[in-house]
Amino acid sequence: GAVVSQHPSRVICKSGTSVKIECRSLDFQATTMFWYRQFPKQSLMLMATSNEGSKATYEQGVEKDKFLINHASLTLSTLTVTSAHPEDSSFYICSARPGGVEQYFGPGTRLTVT
Amino acid sequence: RKEVEQDPGPFNVPEGATVAFNCTYSNSASQSFFWYRQDCRKEPKLLMSVYSSGNEDGRFTAQLNRASQYISLLIRDSKLSDSATYLCVVNPDGQLTFGSGTQLTVLP
Repeated sequence: GAVVSQHPSRVICKSGTSVKIECRSLDFQATTMFWYRQFPKQSLMLMATSNEGSKATYEQGVEKDKFLINHASLTLSTLTVTSAHPEDSSFYICSARPGGVEQYFGPGTRLTVT
Repeated sequence: RKEVEQDPGPFNVPEGATVAFNCTYSNSASQSFFWYRQDCRKEPKLLMSVYSSGNEDGRFTAQLNRASQYISLLIRDSKLSDSATYLCVVNPDGQLTFGSGTQLTVLP
């Protein structure tokens, strides 16, 4: 149980375009989902906390107008990277929390902006 | 100062060796502690929670010292499949804070 999927697993896009990444909890409902970013050889950095039906809470330094988060249902959150630039190339990982402390991670999305 | 600090390694050890990783955290209000394992280009997976009394899961032993704000992970009889990056994770406020990880390579 406690499976989280992400789609796509890998995406290459041109600079200036937008990319949407989906995060789904497959066998549980998640009132809270988290979006992380990980650059090579660095730790996961929390970008934002997404609560179903309300606006996401962004971490300091993360532009909310660039990284649009929508948590429309208890099983789906989306992250849209708008006007992507090469420096946005990274590994984006979501996690979902059914309740309590434990989070379940999706398999990640590797974004390359050319 | 980073919230969670780990020795990045790499640790290269022979099969069967015992290896220990250390981690320190800055937020004394942290209540939950974990070790995650991350394989190359994959998502992190929970290895074990860390309890105040220390806990063991097979070849893995985790210890917590709240006074020193220090967490450790001991791996005994290491296997080739233990090669990965080990992430120390602390939960100070309902969100997980990750260390940058310690890379382990177990050599045949």
